[in-house]
Amino acid sequence: QITLKESGPTVVKPTQTLTLTCTCSGFSVTTSEVGVGWIRQPPGKALEWLALIYWDDDERYSPSLKSRLTITKDSSKNQVVLTMTNMDSVDTATYFCAHMGLYYFGSGSYRTFDYWGQGTLVTVSS
Amino acid sequence: DIQVTQSPSSLSASVGDRVTITCRAGQSIRNYLNWYQQKPGKAPQLLIYAASTLQSGVPSRFSGSGSGTDFALTISSLQPEDFAIYYCQQSYSTSWTFGQGTKVEIK
Repeated sequence: QITLKESGPTVVKPTQTLTLTCTCSGFSVTTSEVGVGWIRQPPGKALEWLALIYWDDDERYSPSLKSRLTITKDSSKNQVVLTMTNMDSVDTATYFCAHMGLYYFGSGSYRTFDYWGQGTLVTVSS
Repeated sequence: DIQVTQSPSSLSASVGDRVTITCRAGQSIRNYLNWYQQKPGKAPQLLIYAASTLQSGVPSRFSGSGSGTDFALTISSLQPEDFAIYYCQQSYSTSWTFGQGTKVEIK
């Protein structure tokens, strides 16, 4: 079955760079039409999509955070890595990675985040 | 970004009640709308995609409707395990955006 697991530091200092790793199993990050994305959730707040990488290395970023984010994948380890520069206290959140599947219905095709990791809480504090 | 706005932000209901949550997009997104359920301390789970298609394994008391800019998630008979936060998300644009969430609480 498809599972994803996030790993990385639990605490980072302001201005530091955060690096998070999503280890995927049950699917290959190079399988056609597959995507893996990152979504975050500050405590008590809503979900915010950050970035996504497709099987063919096509990358997508949230416009508001694009300058601070980089998403890459390591096919040999079946992992997806997110880096976020210049961390601030407002970046304190649970960070989730998620599998983006492609579904066909009627005459259309639809992308959804259908499998999620458990999430990892990252606190930005000096 | 395409904004999606949910209402209400929270509601109180009893077991057995019919509950409807709405989601409005800032422009037409056709039927590229997903719904997720999130329980405390857990990751979101996909309930509905393409506005009205139930994800495999999701109980039939959940249903989705709408197209264009106005959408709804309905729970026909609220069960104890349905108390959670529900999010809509547009997938029309590849800058995916979520609504602010609707918390369904026990009355």
